[in-house]
Amino acid sequence: GAVVSQHPSWVICKSGTSVKIECRSLDFQATTMFWYRQFPKQSLMLMATSNEGSKATYEQGVEKDKFLINHASLTLSTLTVTSAHPEDSSFYICSASPGTSASYEQYFGPGTRLTVT
Amino acid sequence: SQELEQSPQSLIVQEGKNLTINCTSSKTLYGLYWYKQKYGEGLIFLMMLQKGGEEKSHEKITAKLDEKKQQSSLHITASQPSHAGIYLCGAYAMMNRDDKIIFGKGTRLHILP
Repeated sequence: GAVVSQHPSWVICKSGTSVKIECRSLDFQATTMFWYRQFPKQSLMLMATSNEGSKATYEQGVEKDKFLINHASLTLSTLTVTSAHPEDSSFYICSASPGTSASYEQYFGPGTRLTVT
Repeated sequence: SQELEQSPQSLIVQEGKNLTINCTSSKTLYGLYWYKQKYGEGLIFLMMLQKGGEEKSHEKITAKLDEKKQQSSLHITASQPSHAGIYLCGAYAMMNRDDKIIFGKGTRLHILP
């Protein structure tokens, strides 16, 4: 089956530093990748959608300059949290899809827990 | 905007009992996903439903999309401790590349031994 990996699985960083999270599709080409954020006891919130080779589309309220997304290849997307603050602490989950329409499955990564101290 | 409401919000059942989780949409569903999340972990895809009246099964879990495509139910038969977790439904409002998947708030399932 389709596998999506995330690295790191958890990270602790100091306030003001930047953190990069990688999302890789291991056995398929991901035309589209999604980045989600999940706060405790809440649903996933879509942050941005990225198509390979294009600029990411950010959801309303998500700061583009703070959450930098790069989808440089069909198997790798990265999310960089710049100048992280404690309020950025959260569970970040990526998903990848081989297609661009709703008929394609989304395969989720295991998530990355970010803690900013 | 489309909203997904899940019920119940949490559920505690005795091991071996059957249970049902519902997901109701404010708009017609063009694709509905059921996911399971173990506490603190990523989502695990369970199944996807697209056609009205469609029913799919995965091991002891069965999900159905009603004919009007505005409600889906997830049924677990003879529940086991491994079924514990958070069940999320996700859906697309329309089939186009610009749309996005939205999620319900999840149903927390606890299984008592």
